[in-house]
Amino acid sequence: QVQLVESGGGLVKPGGSLRLSCAASGFTFSDYYMSWIRQAPGKGLEWVSYISSSGSTIYYADSVKGRFTISRDNAKNSLYLQMNSLRAEDTAVYYCARGPLRFLFDPWGQGTLVTVSS
Amino acid sequence: NFMLTQPHSVSESPGKTVTISCTRSSGSIASNYVQWYQQRPGSAPTTVIYEDNQRPSGVPDRFSGSIDSSSNSASLTISGLKTEDEADYYCQSYDSSNVVFGGGTKLTVL
Repeated sequence: QVQLVESGGGLVKPGGSLRLSCAASGFTFSDYYMSWIRQAPGKGLEWVSYISSSGSTIYYADSVKGRFTISRDNAKNSLYLQMNSLRAEDTAVYYCARGPLRFLFDPWGQGTLVTVSS
Repeated sequence: NFMLTQPHSVSESPGKTVTISCTRSSGSIASNYVQWYQQRPGSAPTTVIYEDNQRPSGVPDRFSGSIDSSSNSASLTISGLKTEDEADYYCQSYDSSNVVFGGGTKLTVL
């Protein structure tokens, strides 16, 4: 079955960096766009970024543009999110999701928590 | 960029029908597909409706989606409510390369 497993979350100080990973299995990873979506504690969902199947097309939300970098390694069936210049407002559970496929995100991983605090 | 506005919360009794709205602030609701996700506490979101009114396999036909151009909104309707339907529900759409989620609606089945 399709499975997405995120890792790399943790506690980081404001201004610090963190790299999230998402390991995919159960489908042909290189055929699909992939995305990062986050959810601040007790808040709603916020799209962060997506990357095309080849990696040639990338989009970011304005809130992370210039600070976050999405990438993928199709040989390793893995998606990444490099997060720099982290702020308190970046504190959230970060989900990896397959898609968008016709702008549907499905399925989602279980998420990894990033806490930005001094 | 546009926004999707949902009611903060709704509640209804088991066996009844509830409708959750999702209103688009600018641009036509009909111009881009709307998806609906269910999120139970402590879990990742799962799809209950995609492409305005399509149900993934495994989602009961008690769940249905629609759009209304006159109110520029999408709706998720859940009939025959069960306690297991208690969750947060999010609508989602897009505009060119930008993805937008609604603020979410907490459904209480009491």
